[in-house]
Amino acid sequence: GQSLEQPSEVTAVEGAIVQINCTYQTSGFYGLSWYQQHDGGAPTFLSYNALDGLEETGRFSSFLSRSDSYGYLLLQELQMKDSASYFCAVRADYGQNFVFGPGTRLSVLP
Amino acid sequence: GAGVSQSPSNKVTEKGKDVELRCDPISGHTALYWYRQSLGQGLEFLIYFQGNSAPDKSGLPSDRFSAERTGGSVSTLTIQRTQQEDSAVYLCASSFQGGDYGYTFGSGTRLTVV
Repeated sequence: GQSLEQPSEVTAVEGAIVQINCTYQTSGFYGLSWYQQHDGGAPTFLSYNALDGLEETGRFSSFLSRSDSYGYLLLQELQMKDSASYFCAVRADYGQNFVFGPGTRLSVLP
Repeated sequence: GAGVSQSPSNKVTEKGKDVELRCDPISGHTALYWYRQSLGQGLEFLIYFQGNSAPDKSGLPSDRFSAERTGGSVSTLTIQRTQQEDSAVYLCASSFQGGDYGYTFGSGTRLTVV
């Protein structure tokens, strides 16, 4: 089977840095994605890592270690609008179907 | 279209009735996906279409669920004899070939079975 683990909740203050971890156990691995979802909204794509290392996009960065079956999303200079749920998703086979993690609810406090 | 369009946005149905949910993907996107999300939960994969290939139906929870995609574009998810546990938000997404560049999700259909 396929399983992904994320912390259920994370809380941080405005301006801080927060890291959301994702560990996975899947039959195969082709890449790790991150999505953001605000309450009542649709998930929106943030990043994709197929190779080890850090990918930076503005205030958000995503990291992957395939040998550790682990990745994380790093959010810097937190803003109130970053309060949302964040999902990691693994492409476990050659098809394009991604398996999603349970999500991490991030609350940013003033 | 500019985005993934789903209809209806909300659907309330009586237990035992059939429902059809529609998804209109982004023009040119070859892959189309259906996911289900219960309140406060993650996304549960249902079915995936890629071009003219046979769909991956491995996530459909029972034979009451079916989906089709006509002409490589619009997709309809049908739930027969709805049950209360079917209540959830049904999300459709599309992508260009692989999902490596991200899925684009629609706003979803909130299904409530009473």
